[in-house]
This record gives sequence, C-alpha cells and structure tokens, in this order.
Amino acid sequence: GESVGLHLPTLSVQEGDNSIINCAYSNSASDYFIWYKQESGKGPQFIIDIRSNMDKRQGQRVTVLLNKTVKHLSLQIAATQPGDSAVYFCAEIWGINDQAGTALIFGKGTTLSVSS
Amino acid sequence: GAVVSQHPSRVICKSGTSVKIECRSLDFQATTMFWYRQFPKQSLMLMATSNEGSKATYEQGVEKDKFLINHASLTLSTLTVTSAHPEDSSFYICSATLRYSIMNTEAFFGQGTRLTVV
Repeated sequence: GESVGLHLPTLSVQEGDNSIINCAYSNSASDYFIWYKQESGKGPQFIIDIRSNMDKRQGQRVTVLLNKTVKHLSLQIAATQPGDSAVYFCAEIWGINDQAGTALIFGKGTTLSVSS
Repeated sequence: GAVVSQHPSRVICKSGTSVKIECRSLDFQATTMFWYRQFPKQSLMLMATSNEGSKATYEQGVEKDKFLINHASLTLSTLTVTSAHPEDSSFYICSATLRYSIMNTEAFFGQGTRLTVV
C-alpha cells in the first residue's frame, strides 16, 4: 500500500553539525507534508510543514525540502543541539483543503542522537 | 495556540478490564479527532477517525467493538479499550485539526496515554 517512510532509522551527529533527515513518500496525490519531533513518552510536536506547491520552506534552524519528481522530503536542522535528540517523523495528508479534519499518515521515523 | 489535552497520561489495568482515555480540545471546537496507536520504536498508526455526533470510522484491522470511540461534543472524544489484554499495551495518542482558513490547517496532538495491561 502507499505510505510515507524514512530512509534511515537512526542518525548520529555531533553538536553543531547540520543534520539531514530524509523521507520518501509514494502517494503522488499528497498535497501537504509535516515534520514532527517526538520525545520519549510524549506526543508529536510540530516542527515545520510544506505544501505541494512549494519546493522549500525555512523556519528557525530548520528547512524542509520537497522534491515531487522523486517523491522525496527532507528536514535539515542547522547547528544541531543536544536538545534536538528525538525521533523525527514525516507525515502526509492528501486533500488538505477538502475538509476541516484530515488524518495524518506517518512515516517510520528516524532517531536523531546528538552528542556533545 | 490551540491545545489538545489527553487524560490519563499513564494507566495500568488488569487484563479483562476496560480503560477510558479522554481527548479534549481546550480552546477550539474539533468536529473531527483522530486516534493513533504507537508501539515501542514504531510509528504512529491511525486507528480511527472520530466524528462529532456520528459513528467513528475505523481503519482496516482495528476492532470497533474493542476500541469504542465516542465523540459526544465538539471538545471531547473518548477511546475505551474494552476487555483489555496485554497485547493492547501501547501508547495511544489523539489529534485534532484546526482549520484557520482554506489554506491553513494545523494538527494538534495530545500528550499521549501509556496503557499497560497486566
């Protein structure tokens, strides 16, 4: 079936490095993507989103890139800090403008470990 | 910002008993809420879509008689795990979306409920 998935289950970086977390999706009809951060024992925390009519969106220390040609999504974290250590999920929605409530479909997740 | 509150955060119950989990949208009305289940080191799997005033829509493979969902008001959805068994032990998370405008919708998540069935 169609799903959103991540390339690597784990990523280890040094503090101060830039991190890149990747995600591949298979549903070409998806029109909205979100990156979430989840710390142990907590619910997902919104990081950044991007719509399918965009290629790039920047936030504070984070950038999301969308390549619709190869159905690829990435999250770039600049100057990674120990507090960034968590599991990162990409999620997709199709039909974001169709109705008030739409379920997110999550990818498998990447565990980011930041060492000092 | 909008907040979704989930209660309890942790619950331990005996096998065969039922457990109710509440999900509240604190400062907005949510006509639709979503329930997810997350096993250790795995992703969030959508269980069901809870619609205010109507029956919930369950994903394939989710037993509706075991996971009872009630969305009696615009700010409250409940998930009841009936006749719980150890394999139901999991992290349950609710979500509600808020549509600010036609081009601006955001999803908010509860804190999650860690259910342990012994």
